[in-house]
Amino acid sequence: GENVEQHPSTLSVQEGDSAVIKCTYSDSASNYFPWYKQELGKGPQLIIDIRSNVGEKKDQRIAVTLNKTAKHFSLHITETQPEDSAVYFCAASITGFQKLVFGTGTRLLVSP
Amino acid sequence: DTAVSQTPKYLVTQMGNDKSIKCEQNLGHDTMYWYKQDSKKFLKIMFSYNNKELIINETVPNRFSPKSPDKAHLNLHINSLELGDSAVYFCASSPAGGAVDTQYFGPGTRLTVL
Repeated sequence: GENVEQHPSTLSVQEGDSAVIKCTYSDSASNYFPWYKQELGKGPQLIIDIRSNVGEKKDQRIAVTLNKTAKHFSLHITETQPEDSAVYFCAASITGFQKLVFGTGTRLLVSP
Repeated sequence: DTAVSQTPKYLVTQMGNDKSIKCEQNLGHDTMYWYKQDSKKFLKIMFSYNNKELIINETVPNRFSPKSPDKAHLNLHINSLELGDSAVYFCASSPAGGAVDTQYFGPGTRLTVL
C-alpha cells in the first residue's frame, strides 16, 4: 500500500522567512496530493492540493510542487507570519479509492 | 454554520466501558470517514462510508463499529474500551462518490481511557 514520508518533523523560522516541507510517496499510481494545516485543538483544514497532471500550483503565499518521476512533492510558504504556526500534513491518494494516506506531520513555528 | 460537527468534543471514560461518538455533516456530501490521530499526531483512516455503505475498513479491531443511519451522519461506537484507544478521533466528509476529493474535517473528539 501507499506510504508517505514527511520531513522535517519540526521547523522553526523567523517571521518573513520562507518555509519548505517535503514529502515522498511510494505508490506511482497516486495522483492527488493535498496539504492540510492543523491548528491546536482543531481539525485539519485543506490549504492547497495538486493533481498529477500539474507540476506546480500557487495560492498567494503558498505553493506546492510535484515531481512525479522522483515521487516527491513539497509545500512552500513565503513571507511566513506567526499565524502560519501549526502542524502541516501532506497526503497522497489514488482517484477512485477514496483513501488519503497522510504523512507524519511537520510542526512549523514562526517566531516574531 | 458548522460544516462537519462531532459530539462530544471531550470524552473521559474507564477501561471496559462502551461509548459512542456522533458525527454530522450539512454539506450534502456522499462520503464520510473516521480517522484516528494518536499522541504523536499520526493521522490514519479507520473507516469510510459512501451513501451509508461501508467502503473502507482499515483492519480496525471489531470493538469499533461505525453506523451510518443516513448519508449525513456517521457514528462510531466503541465496545470494551482499552487504554490504547485514547486518541483524537476525527470525522470527515467529501463530495465525490467515485473519486477522492477534498475532505472536510470535523473539530475532533478527544477520547481518554483511564
